[in-house]
Amino acid sequence: EADIYQTPRYLVIGTGKKITLECSQTMGHDKMYWYQQDPGMELHLIHYSYGVNSTEKGDLSSESTVSRIRTEHFPLTLESARPSHTSQYLCASSEQGVRRELFFGEGSRLTVL
Amino acid sequence: GESVGLHLPTLSVQEGDNSIINCAYSNSASDYFIWYKQESGKGPQFIIDIRSNMDKRQGQRVTVLLNKTVKHLSLQIAATQPGDSAVYFCAEDPSSGTYKYIFGTGTRLKVLA
Repeated sequence: EADIYQTPRYLVIGTGKKITLECSQTMGHDKMYWYQQDPGMELHLIHYSYGVNSTEKGDLSSESTVSRIRTEHFPLTLESARPSHTSQYLCASSEQGVRRELFFGEGSRLTVL
Repeated sequence: GESVGLHLPTLSVQEGDNSIINCAYSNSASDYFIWYKQESGKGPQFIIDIRSNMDKRQGQRVTVLLNKTVKHLSLQIAATQPGDSAVYFCAEDPSSGTYKYIFGTGTRLKVLA
């Protein structure tokens, strides 16, 4: 069982609201990621981080921003949510080393009305 | 039962039969591949991985085959059980060490009693 946690699991908000999706891992992994996944569709990388104070945008353009002030914490923020942001957001982490798989959280399902 | 990967998103098999899920990957330079299982409402779970210097790798009831010539990956599940019902994704690491995985569309496996 991977020790990576996402909150909230479900969120329904109105257009224009600011939201932060939380992601924390207790495995001491340097690498962390945010993926966006629409129902029944593939995962798209929107942000990643190789360590504290390191963040990069992924291959899918996103209006969200991230920060990495502590190794274990990688929050994602939307300053002004829109209906087009409705999706599932999955956080993942991986270690630097031989094992290369991603450990995923349970996801945050966001609905913007 | 056998899927033809991205063009057949749903595979239905009888309980106890073997399942074969296919995936065509995109980058000939990819050197590491993972199969993930995603149950409804949950994050993806690691099943098995394989490096590009291997053709086959076996786990418990699962086998991954890699054909680099045609950029094809398959997941074989022996004696499929109801608990195997889920969506299965393949993922490739196109640039060694970047961990910026590219995920396939996924195949939904339905196990019939």
